[in-house]
Formats: sequence, structure tokens, C-alpha cells
Amino acid sequence: DGGITQSPKYLFRKEGQNVTLSCEQNLNHDAMYWYRQDPGQGLRLIYYSQIVNDFQKGDIAEGYSVSREKKESFPLTVTSAQKNPTAFYLCASSPKATNEKLFFGSGTQLSVL
Amino acid sequence: QKEVEQDPGPLSVPEGAIVSLNCTYSNSAFQYFMWYRQYSRKGPELLMYTYSSGNKEDGRFTAQVDKSSKYISLFIRDSQPSDSATYLCAMRATNFGNEKLTFGTGTRLTIIP
Repeated sequence: DGGITQSPKYLFRKEGQNVTLSCEQNLNHDAMYWYRQDPGQGLRLIYYSQIVNDFQKGDIAEGYSVSREKKESFPLTVTSAQKNPTAFYLCASSPKATNEKLFFGSGTQLSVL
Repeated sequence: QKEVEQDPGPLSVPEGAIVSLNCTYSNSAFQYFMWYRQYSRKGPELLMYTYSSGNKEDGRFTAQVDKSSKYISLFIRDSQPSDSATYLCAMRATNFGNEKLTFGTGTRLTIIP
């Protein structure tokens, strides 16, 4: 059963804490992406990776970090430097970087305690 | 001015009606146009994908692109309660180094039985 798995579904962050959101795909896709979704705003790109061990900043990378050590995995860390982290986070993948057909996970809702 | 403008709605129509959803854009370099459907607290899923101008039909869904007016539309015929969701338009340019998608804010649609 191929797809993208995000975990956890809900996550709470205390002030000053770093938290990591998991994203795993078994679609054998080269490219992976992290988006942030806020009410009334479109999806905004945080980071993307076109190949293992390489990633690029998106439009709103400040306060976030990523790694791509394996093709299947693209975890996102929300650091304490991100002052407004409450949002719905979506991970996506595509067969290659220039492919517009993104496949999304089911999202992680991050809230601040 | 945002690159992509989309009326957030909400839009409510009776079951069986024809639904028209629209986006306008300002970047003339956009060549790829997509519509994604997102159910509440889920990841978006790709509905329609169109390259350049013209129409594309898939079952009850028709996507139209008018590049001269920088306007795209999604029509849903014989609308069903299961069509109730948020619909996001997305676009991409073709120039190298600009592969990322730009999303609209989404239109929330409710089909009333």
C-alpha cells in the first residue's frame, strides 16, 4: 500500500522546545517537500529536496531545519527560533523535482502549549 | 498583489448543481495548472492537471485555462455531497530554477443534499 506517512497527527510544543515531524514515503519518489498551511492562506513551501543529501530553502525556511539522509525520509524540525509555529504541516513527494503532480501526506497539526 | 488569487468562499450549492471555481494569476510564465481537492484536516489530492491553454475533462470535472486572461476554472457537474471540500488551484512556471508550485488560498465548497 504505497503512500506518504506523516506522524504524529497532532503535536504540541512548549516554548523554547524543538520538535520534529516525521515524513516517510514508499513511492520511490526522488523529490520531497514540506509545506505549511495556515487558515486563509495558501500552502507555503518551507523546504524541498530533489535528491538524497541535498535540500533547498523554500519561501519560509527561517526557524525550520530538514535532513534527507534516506530517499524515503524527510523529517522537519521546528526550532525554538520559529516564533509562530502553530499551523498544519504537510509533507509531499513527486517522482522528480519538475513533476507538478504532488502526492501529499495526511498532515500534522502543531500547536503551542 | 498575490501571484495567485482565489476566492475563499465559502460556497454552498444544492446537490446536482453545476459548480464553478476560479483562480486568477499575474505571472505570465505560469504554464502548468492544477486543481487539488482537500478534505478537512487531510492532505490535498490532485484532481486535474493541465498544460498551457485549453480544456480538460475527467468524468464530472472540467478544467479550463485561459492564458490570455490569466484565468483558470474548475467546473463540477452533477455535484454530490462527497464533493464538499476545499479546492486549491496551483501553478508552475517552466523556466529552470523556478520549479516550485504557487498555490491559491483555496475555496471551501459545501454541497447541500
